[in-house]
Order: sequence, then C-alpha cells, then structure tokens
Amino acid sequence: EIVMTQSPVTLSVSPGERATLSCRASQSVSTSLAWYQQKPGQAPRLLIYDASTRAAGIPARFGGSGSGTEFTLSISSLQSEDFAVYYCQQYNNWPPWTFGQGTRVEIK
Amino acid sequence: QVQLVESGGGLVKPGGSLTLSCAASGFSGFSFSDFYMSWMRQVPGKGLEWVAYLSGSGGTKYHADSVKGRFTISRDNAKNSLSLYMNSLRPEDTAVYYCARFRFTHGMDVWGLGTTVTVSS
Repeated sequence: EIVMTQSPVTLSVSPGERATLSCRASQSVSTSLAWYQQKPGQAPRLLIYDASTRAAGIPARFGGSGSGTEFTLSISSLQSEDFAVYYCQQYNNWPPWTFGQGTRVEIK
Repeated sequence: QVQLVESGGGLVKPGGSLTLSCAASGFSGFSFSDFYMSWMRQVPGKGLEWVAYLSGSGGTKYHADSVKGRFTISRDNAKNSLSLYMNSLRPEDTAVYYCARFRFTHGMDVWGLGTTVTVSS
C-alpha cells in the first residue's frame, strides 16, 4: 500500500498571500496524483489531476506540480473561499486508492 | 453534468446491516456502465478512506481490508444505480459515505453529497 503524507497539517495564511502545500508518496506514483478541496459540510471537489492539470472550472490561481514521490499544490493569492481542507490522493497503484491526511488552510 | 446522490444512511445497532444507494444522472451520450465507481467514507473530523470499487460491467470489484467480508459493492446499470451492502456493522464504521466516479486519468472526478451512517447501541 502506498502511504501519502501531507505537510503541514495546518497552514495559516492571510488573504491575498500565497499558500504552498506538500504531498509525499511512499513510492513513485508517476503523475497519477489528484488534489481535492473540502469545505465544512461539503463533499470533496476535484481540483487537480495528473499532478498538474486543473479540473474543469477550477480557477487559475490553483496550480499543481511534481512527479514520482514529491508533489506540491500552490494557491497563488488566497481568496476567502479557498480556506478549506486539501487532500492529495494517488491513483497509480490500486487497490487501495490512498489519500493523505489533509492540510487545513486557515485564515491568519 | 454527471450528478450522484447517495441515500440509505441512518442509525443502526452494532452487528446490524444497511444498504446504501447512489443514483447517477446527467450523463447524456454515455451510459452508466461506462463509469467506474467507488465508495469512500469519512469519519467526522477525520480524513478520507477508500472503501470499495466496481468496474463498469461489474466484473471487477475491490474492497478495503477494513470492510472485506462485511461490505459488498454492486450496481444495476439498467437503473443507473450503485449500492453498498454493509453487514456486521461496527461503531468504527460510523462515517459519512460518499460515492464517486473514478477515471483512470483523473482520479475521483465526481462525488455525491454523502450519506451518514451511525453505528451505535
């Protein structure tokens, strides 16, 4: 089973600032890596797939990068609606499909 | 656009059973059998856990070790419906359960709103 590890657990950022979230896989997942956003009381929403491709309707301020075992999600200028929990997930070696434990982005 | 709606959650006693359903709609030009589907769950305040997967034809299925032998995923393509039969339920199965479409190139690209299962005496 591939273990996904996200850091930091919580990120405090001021609106308008840049946020950088990390995700590490215990073995290579190539670029089969997705990022999801989840707001309180809502279902997760796909933001990024194939490590760096924005899903339909996702603003350009969201960007993904990386391959192999190291991945990054960047939010260039945080808006109020971006404060949420973000999960990475690998879909290269399955089953099981595995998620990171999440990074909470909160208002500083 | 594709929409998924879960139902069937509720309160059940330990050792009991429950069947969750996921109704799919909004996919003109495709058929439900084109969709590979999964169930995930989330304990309140915790992270996401994959539970089960089923191929479009229903011929290939996988279950997480934590539910193997107790949960069974199935589908009815004629009714555009996915199900999760849960047996021998434990308090640790308490969670919000989501169905989602899996695409090999995208991951879980469409999610339902979720249905809550509470296992308690």
